[in-house]
Amino acid sequence: GAGVSQSPRYKVAKRGQDVALRCDPISGHVSLFWYQQALGQGPEFLTYFQNEAQLDKSGLPSDRFFAERPEGSVSTLKIQRTQQEDSAVYLCASSPPRKDEQYFGPGTRLTVT
Amino acid sequence: RKEVEQDPGPFNVPEGATVAFNCTYSNSASQSFFWYRQDCRKEPKLLMSVYSSGNEDGRFTAQLNRASQYISLLIRDSKLSDSATYLCVVNKGWSSYKLIFGSGTRLLVRP
Repeated sequence: GAGVSQSPRYKVAKRGQDVALRCDPISGHVSLFWYQQALGQGPEFLTYFQNEAQLDKSGLPSDRFFAERPEGSVSTLKIQRTQQEDSAVYLCASSPPRKDEQYFGPGTRLTVT
Repeated sequence: RKEVEQDPGPFNVPEGATVAFNCTYSNSASQSFFWYRQDCRKEPKLLMSVYSSGNEDGRFTAQLNRASQYISLLIRDSKLSDSATYLCVVNKGWSSYKLIFGSGTRLLVRP
């Protein structure tokens, strides 16, 4: 079956631009997660949705980061006024009901110049 | 101290070798444990969940030691295609959905 999909796969933004990253989870997965992965590190948790409810946004690094999932399926991670330190791979994952394991999309590689 | 610690490697082994990775975690309330595999410039892929009784999937065996708070992964009869980074993953605490990833151990299998 179809896995988690993300778009765009690559994004180059000038410092100060706003970006929007999209995630389409596996059908039937109510839980959706966003992670940030820096080079040479493991993914770090950003935020968690259960259906359309954002239950945890404790990992978002600043108020420039905003995520939404208005209809409980597709999610968008928005970064306003991008900074160079925002350059990373942004991974989306979804989880089947009543299970802990998470399945990742291919990620969006963001480069801020 | 990091919540999940792994030896970064690289472990450089010949084809057919047996190799083992360990990982330690700091939160004694963690209940869910996993090994993920990540190829260069790709997403992490679930390799296996780790259960208290230990579990095996083909050439891969995972063990959990709750008392010492460490997890191990053993790969037997290494293949060239096993070359990747192996991420140790633990949930944040009791019933927590939040996964904490180690920085990964790099494995290189040579012909």
